[in-house]
Amino acid sequence: DAKTTQPPSMDCAEGRAANLPCNHSTISGNEYVYWYRQIHSQGPQYIIHGLKNNETNEMASLIITEDRKSSTLILPHATLRDTAVYYCIVRVITSGSARQLTFGSGTQLTVLP
Amino acid sequence: DGGITQSPKYLFRKEGQNVTLSCEQNLNHDAMYWYRQDPGQGLRLIYYSQIVNDFQKGDIAEGYSVSREKKESFPLTVTSAQKNPTAFYLCASSRGVLISSYNEQFFGPGTRLTVL
Repeated sequence: DAKTTQPPSMDCAEGRAANLPCNHSTISGNEYVYWYRQIHSQGPQYIIHGLKNNETNEMASLIITEDRKSSTLILPHATLRDTAVYYCIVRVITSGSARQLTFGSGTQLTVLP
Repeated sequence: DGGITQSPKYLFRKEGQNVTLSCEQNLNHDAMYWYRQDPGQGLRLIYYSQIVNDFQKGDIAEGYSVSREKKESFPLTVTSAQKNPTAFYLCASSRGVLISSYNEQFFGPGTRLTVL
């Protein structure tokens, strides 16, 4: 699976959009981009994933560049409860294989009141 | 409600003792996973299982053992051979084997193990 690079920490004002970047310059054509977050002392929570098109769900939006070498997770209106470590993960989806996720160090997002 | 449960939430063990961490899921998922997390670090995979009665080693399997006798259960035993067992342990499950395009992992609340 391709390696990802994320900034170690970011701050965001409550109510503003939080934009979390991720670089994955060695991504392959069959690798998806996944985002999870982990609130302190809890299990990680799935947020969103995508292949090459931008994706949006009730939690966030995922913007993937045309060359797929980087992506941005957008939380449109950050709240204090969004304070967490956000992990960007790149992995292959292969039929018949329950591939494990490889978690890096992530980005600590702190939403400030 | 469907989900994953882990017990206990906190566990203390004396050095040299084996201890078993419980993980149960009622999501009807085929695949289950165990991760370890140390302070300020990401998750590292210990073991995973794609189907009942089958499991594979992850990146840091030494000093750990698992079993998968039932689809719903994937207990992890931390043995005395694990040199530095104090950590936060997370169990996860996913639809796994037959789903190729959407394989979200659902995580339990974790067990914090401290060796005294």
